[in-house]
Amino acid sequence: NAGVTQTPKFRVLKTGQSMTLLCAQDMNHEYMYWYRQDPGMGLRLIHYSVGEGTTAKGEVPDGYNVSRLKKQNFLLGLESAAPSQTSVYFCASSRGLLTYEQYFGPGTRLTVT
Amino acid sequence: AQTVTQSQPEMSVQEAETVTLSCTYDTSESDYYLFWYKQPPSRQMILVIRQEAYKQQNATENRFSVNFQKAAKSFSLKISDSQLGDAAMYFCAQNYGGSQGNLIFGKGTKLSVKP
Repeated sequence: NAGVTQTPKFRVLKTGQSMTLLCAQDMNHEYMYWYRQDPGMGLRLIHYSVGEGTTAKGEVPDGYNVSRLKKQNFLLGLESAAPSQTSVYFCASSRGLLTYEQYFGPGTRLTVT
Repeated sequence: AQTVTQSQPEMSVQEAETVTLSCTYDTSESDYYLFWYKQPPSRQMILVIRQEAYKQQNATENRFSVNFQKAAKSFSLKISDSQLGDAAMYFCAQNYGGSQGNLIFGKGTKLSVKP
């Protein structure tokens, strides 16, 4: 099994450009999450999904949109990138709430200039 | 709000020695889980150990064990017989469930292992 994969691994954007990060999992997990990791900080939740067709805001949702059209995929979009969105982005998935381990993708390093 | 605090930004240990990483958390929930994740330079987040809040017994996974003090809301990680491959960032995290199930992370502790 591939587990959780993220595309791309690295990306450089100019301010105002848009892009989509793709997360895919092959474990048939219901729950999927997008986190961002900044220097000196732990991971912070951007958006999450508790099932196909559902999405909700997390702790730091501004400037991002998400979609979960298929159970195995969770897309994170930046419509107009800003330097403050320079970060490492992690996708995670889990089978259920509370008791279940979250499996993380390898991360995407995004730089906005 | 749920918070997780790691008071040691950096720690260092000699190879084969034991090191303890500290973590405290703040929650009003009665049912929750606590985790330690390891993040090596490859950036991959790897689960090290988990603790169920309603279990009195401290979790153990090979050389990794926790000291879970529920009343004090403390959850420290002990690494025994440290190896060079243990060098990484270590994140403490809490899952309090609710409707989201996401993890609340501390800011991390960078562990160096000296040969």
